[in-house]
Amino acid sequence: GQQVMQIPQYQHVQEGEDFTTYCNSSTTLSNIQWYKQRPGGHPVFLIQLVKSGEVKKQKRLTFQFGEAKKNSSLHITATQTTDVGTYFCAGRPTGGGNKLTFGTGTQLKVEL
Amino acid sequence: EPEVTQTPSHQVTQMGQEVILRCVPISNHLYFYWYRQILGQKVEFLVSFYNNEISEKSEIFDDQFSVERPDGSNFTLKIRSTKLEDSAMYFCASRTTGVSGNTIYFGEGSWLTVV
Repeated sequence: GQQVMQIPQYQHVQEGEDFTTYCNSSTTLSNIQWYKQRPGGHPVFLIQLVKSGEVKKQKRLTFQFGEAKKNSSLHITATQTTDVGTYFCAGRPTGGGNKLTFGTGTQLKVEL
Repeated sequence: EPEVTQTPSHQVTQMGQEVILRCVPISNHLYFYWYRQILGQKVEFLVSFYNNEISEKSEIFDDQFSVERPDGSNFTLKIRSTKLEDSAMYFCASRTTGVSGNTIYFGEGSWLTVV
């Protein structure tokens, strides 16, 4: 079945440093979504990317969808303590279907 | 902002007992989901539900699991005979259709502990 892996699994940064998480799918995706889950919380939708090579920005967050639509990345510039949480990518396979397969997640910790 | 609500927030049950987790999806949404997350692990798809029937399910969703939409607002997940490995956070989620239906809204989860 479809596998979605993320690296790194954990990342510790000092506040103000940048952070990037990478997402790789074993199959081509029709779209990729990114979610943030605070400790003890539920996944919260951040963004969806649909087009090959698409780049979207939300303030300090930059999301990219690979040309082959099998990988994606999330980059945070100048991290803040409010960025703490686990970031999951989630992909829907090409050919449709309702199933959203979540990646393994990257847990971000930000220290002052 | 509309939200998906889930009850109970936490349930402790004995192994072998039946459990029903309840969800009220956002009112105009048409697709409903159950996901689960074992502590410290990723979010795993269990089942999707549309037009009063299961549209997709994962290998985790075996005969011990069932879903139901008993009325116009509730969406339930039943685990017939719980096992220790069913201990997890269970998230209900919903979305609408069309372009705006790409966003899936998750509830705050029901934490199930099987002892």
